[in-house]
Amino acid sequence: DQQVKQNSPSLSVQEGRISILNCDYTNSMFDYFLWYKKYPAEGPTFLISISSIKDKNEDGRFTVFLNKSAKHLSLHIVPSQPGDSAVYFCAALPYGNNRLAFGKGNQVVVIP
Amino acid sequence: EPEVTQTPSHQVTQMGQEVILRCVPISNHLYFYWYRQILGQKVEFLVSFYNNEISEKSEIFDDQFSVERPDGSNFTLKIRSTKLEDSAMYFCASSDGTVNTGELFFGEGSRLTVL
Repeated sequence: DQQVKQNSPSLSVQEGRISILNCDYTNSMFDYFLWYKKYPAEGPTFLISISSIKDKNEDGRFTVFLNKSAKHLSLHIVPSQPGDSAVYFCAALPYGNNRLAFGKGNQVVVIP
Repeated sequence: EPEVTQTPSHQVTQMGQEVILRCVPISNHLYFYWYRQILGQKVEFLVSFYNNEISEKSEIFDDQFSVERPDGSNFTLKIRSTKLEDSAMYFCASSDGTVNTGELFFGEGSRLTVL
């Protein structure tokens, strides 16, 4: 099942710089796209989402961009902080059901 | 802040044994879910539950699995006869369902190890 794909499993970035995470999808019938963040020994925590009818959503340091023609979304974190070090999951919700499809996750390490 | 709680945090069992994983969703939430993550793999949807019945289930959720909301606060996942490949982290989640945007509140997970 490759509906949601995250490449580049890990990313290291200096504190204060931008972190960019990428996600590709194959299903045109996704309604919402989300990013979840996960610390070790905790469950995923919702971070930010975007509706399929939008191309950008911003919440503080986090911005998600959606390019529907390319079936691609990205998460920008700026400025990155050490507390942002976590695994980030891209997820997508199809129209008409509530089964989230997750990517494999990207490990982000923010170096102080 | 309200949270989803899960017990046990870790369970080790022998193949063929029954396992029950327990969850207490956020109290005013109406939709409940189980997901699992096998080590090194994606988080996978298992089942969603609303109004005391299963609303959706994945191909993974076969006859060996069942869910129940026995007392209005707990939400349980039962695996009748565990297999080695059931070893995974199982996450319970809930949502208030007012708008279906995929925003779920997850518990910390229950790690199941089948020997």
